[in-house]
Amino acid sequence: KAGVTQTPRYLIKTRGQQVTLSCSPISGHRSVSWYQQTPGQGLQFLFEYFSETQRNKGNFPGRFSGRQFSNSRSEMNVSTLELGDSALYLCASRDTGNTIYFGEGSWLTVV
Amino acid sequence: EDKVVQSPLSLVVHEGDTVTLNCSYEVTNFRSLLWYKQEKKAPTFLFMLTSSGIEKKSGRLSSILDKKELFSILNITATQTGDSAIYLCAGSSNTGKLIFGQGTTLQVKP
Repeated sequence: KAGVTQTPRYLIKTRGQQVTLSCSPISGHRSVSWYQQTPGQGLQFLFEYFSETQRNKGNFPGRFSGRQFSNSRSEMNVSTLELGDSALYLCASRDTGNTIYFGEGSWLTVV
Repeated sequence: EDKVVQSPLSLVVHEGDTVTLNCSYEVTNFRSLLWYKQEKKAPTFLFMLTSSGIEKKSGRLSSILDKKELFSILNITATQTGDSAIYLCAGSSNTGKLIFGQGTTLQVKP
């Protein structure tokens, strides 16, 4: 069974641009959540989707948004990028036993 | 506000030593406590604990949860250099949100 798949793995963007990150959960998992990891703040929850609906949202500005498709794949978008958005963005999917598995992450550098 | 606190923040031991990592939590509508190991990549799942007093074991690693005192410990016996990593503890609420601690950085020297 394939794990959580995230694309792209690495990307560099310029301040003011926007970025879209993609995540395919483990087959059969319907819940997808996103986390931001930085050296200063650690791992912080962004949002969670289940059956195409956002169920929970962390304390991030509106520039951070996401969505989930009918096949459970999810995307997150960050608009008007700032230097502080440089981070590892992790996607996770949850099984019916509520165990959460992470993808390899997308490393975003904003210059 | 929900929070998870891990201690110590960093630890240096020698191969063969036993280590105990601590995690205390305050999570609204708490559902479970999860431990992850993170090397230079995404966190990998170690344990999920939902019931007090029941130890979970996987090889040299074990963990237990105390829901009365709101803490968990992760034990690693006979440490090896491959155990060097950041160990993350996270509390899960019934909304599915994970609240992570700062992590404990473990370095195992040969």
